[in-house]
Amino acid sequence: DAEITQSPRHKITETGRQVTLACHQTWNHNNMFWYRQDLGHGLRLIHYSYGVQDTNKGEVSDGYSVSRSNTEDLPLTLESAASSQTSVYFCASSEGGGVSEQYFGPGTRLTVT
Amino acid sequence: ENQVEHSPHFLGPQQGDVASMSCTYSVSRFNNLQWYRQNTGMGPKHLLSMYSAGYEKQKGRLNATLLKNGSSLYITAVQPEDSATYFCAVVEHSGGGADGLTFGKGTHLIIQP
Repeated sequence: DAEITQSPRHKITETGRQVTLACHQTWNHNNMFWYRQDLGHGLRLIHYSYGVQDTNKGEVSDGYSVSRSNTEDLPLTLESAASSQTSVYFCASSEGGGVSEQYFGPGTRLTVT
Repeated sequence: ENQVEHSPHFLGPQQGDVASMSCTYSVSRFNNLQWYRQNTGMGPKHLLSMYSAGYEKQKGRLNATLLKNGSSLYITAVQPEDSATYFCAVVEHSGGGADGLTFGKGTHLIIQP
């Protein structure tokens, strides 16, 4: 069965370190998204991609970057981790167009100390 | 800035009752509204999508209505397994391609035995 996976599921890192969170989907979806979820908040969009070599900034993109070299993967990089980036990160994908439902991964819990 | 607000924030019906929740939204150019459910420790899962005011959708024990600038979700005969956080998410019109979802903070549903 097609799926979307994230790794690692939990990570603790220190302030200032570069961190990369992986997202892999086997749906063959063109569209992929990264969200963060903080206590008391809904999910907020960080970056998204329409396809290979395409990336776009979302609502809370400062301090984050993504790259899309193939259809299946959209890694999220925190250039210099900050305590404010402690959060749960969700990757999602969708088939196409704005009306499509999004399929979410299980999430990565990141703690920056 | 797009916004989505939920009401109520917490809901605790008895098993077998009807759970009623709603959201209101403010977006520049509305495309569609989606409802998601999130269980603790997991990613959100799509429940249903709606596209224009007056649209109604039934899916199993779920009944949803799209109003102008809002939506209502009803869950009939609630069971303990319905306990979760329910999110309303709005998609805005864009020039094409994928669109990130704007989420509210959700309604936390806990079914009392």
